[in-house]
Amino acid sequence: DTGVSQNPRHKITKRGQNVTFRCDPISEHNRLYWYRQTLGQGPEFLTYFQNEAQLEKSRLLSDRFSAERPKGSFSTLEIQRTEQGDSAMYLCASSSSDSRRGDSPLHFGNGTRLTVT
Amino acid sequence: AQSVAQPEDQVNVAEGNPLTVKCTYSVSGNPYLFWYVQYPNRGLQFLLKYITGDNLVKGSYGFEAEFNKSQTSFHLKKPSALVSDSALYFCAVRDLFGNEKLTFGTGTRLTIIP
Repeated sequence: DTGVSQNPRHKITKRGQNVTFRCDPISEHNRLYWYRQTLGQGPEFLTYFQNEAQLEKSRLLSDRFSAERPKGSFSTLEIQRTEQGDSAMYLCASSSSDSRRGDSPLHFGNGTRLTVT
Repeated sequence: AQSVAQPEDQVNVAEGNPLTVKCTYSVSGNPYLFWYVQYPNRGLQFLLKYITGDNLVKGSYGFEAEFNKSQTSFHLKKPSALVSDSALYFCAVRDLFGNEKLTFGTGTRLTIIP
């Protein structure tokens, strides 16, 4: 178990540029989540996948944000035309669902810190 | 809508003393409650969870939490604090039979004083 891996760890970009982050979940986990965390706040839910299907999206996820999980394994989060307000830590988490035992807790990666200048 | 309140931004405890980090929640159905800890520039690490059963749940690193349905609380506790417990602690909740969204509190910074 190598844990949830996120790349890059840090990204500095100029306003208006596009950025893409990658998340590799724990291999046997079928659920993948994206959260955003700003300074002094708890993580805020953005979206989640069960296998390759995107099942829920937050209203925080504007049209400039898109997430994919094409083969039900890794996921990407893209932000187009970045704004200074997008500066935050973007966290990915994964879990497994088992109808007999219930859900496992979320396992988080170390996040990608985005700074928009 | 589901929500979590962590009323204390900061808690300071002397090493060796018992600690409590407070959490209250609001959810329409049955709660599924968690505590996570976050160290600087790291993701969140799972400490413990409550689904059903015994109101006192035990977790990692000697932490435990007490579920109180009448007070809608899920306070995190440890009998004897260590300096290494200093970190940011988050309480989280979701409706057990509702959507998959986990809602977090704003966090409590715990500082253990040597």
